[in-house]
Amino acid sequence: GENVEQHPSTLSVQEGDSAVIKCTYSDSASNYFPWYKQELGKRPQLIIDIRSNVGEKKDQRIAVTLNKTAKHFSLHITETQPEDSAVYFCAAPFSGGYNKLIFGAGTRLAVHP
Amino acid sequence: DTAVSQTPKYLVTQMGNDKSIKCEQNLGHDTMYWYKQDSKKFLKIMFSYNNKELIINETVPNRFSPKSPDKAHLNLHINSLELGDSAVYFCASSQGTAYSNQPQHFGDGTRLSIL
Repeated sequence: GENVEQHPSTLSVQEGDSAVIKCTYSDSASNYFPWYKQELGKRPQLIIDIRSNVGEKKDQRIAVTLNKTAKHFSLHITETQPEDSAVYFCAAPFSGGYNKLIFGAGTRLAVHP
Repeated sequence: DTAVSQTPKYLVTQMGNDKSIKCEQNLGHDTMYWYKQDSKKFLKIMFSYNNKELIINETVPNRFSPKSPDKAHLNLHINSLELGDSAVYFCASSQGTAYSNQPQHFGDGTRLSIL
């Protein structure tokens, strides 16, 4: 079925700490996993994505890891800053069709100075 | 230049009215989408068009009718608005064919409030 579970729903960290958000998907044929950041009142913005032919991808303080066997992928933010505070969404495509992304329910990250 | 632009940004209207939201992308993308984000921030696909052809039509009431006059535009018309239609509606676009998994770029959203 079409399902992407995301945990935790809320995450509070101190500035400088690391934050990890985890997602599990149900469709074993899924091969593309984007992460979006949505600040309050703004649009979702793609921050990093990974394809199934790699296990890890990094971009400065952000990294994503993928475990295809377990069907889960994670977002790692290191040295968090107050401007990292936002809602983060993971997503995975449903193979039944047409680049249809199924989004997780979101994680509200709060970084306290 | 805004890559994916939606109008209007805010829409406040009475129950039972008909309204339209417009979306345009200048990225040269082949595929466009409409998403609904409810009050709990859950993002759900409604429709997708690829080169003006309807590709994805989720379980959406038929009061919602998308129209794509060309591949750079995807409009959403809503008839007989109901209280439950209150949400933020996002347009998005991506490169490539209907089956390719390419990054989706979102517009700024239209906040629809039904009185």
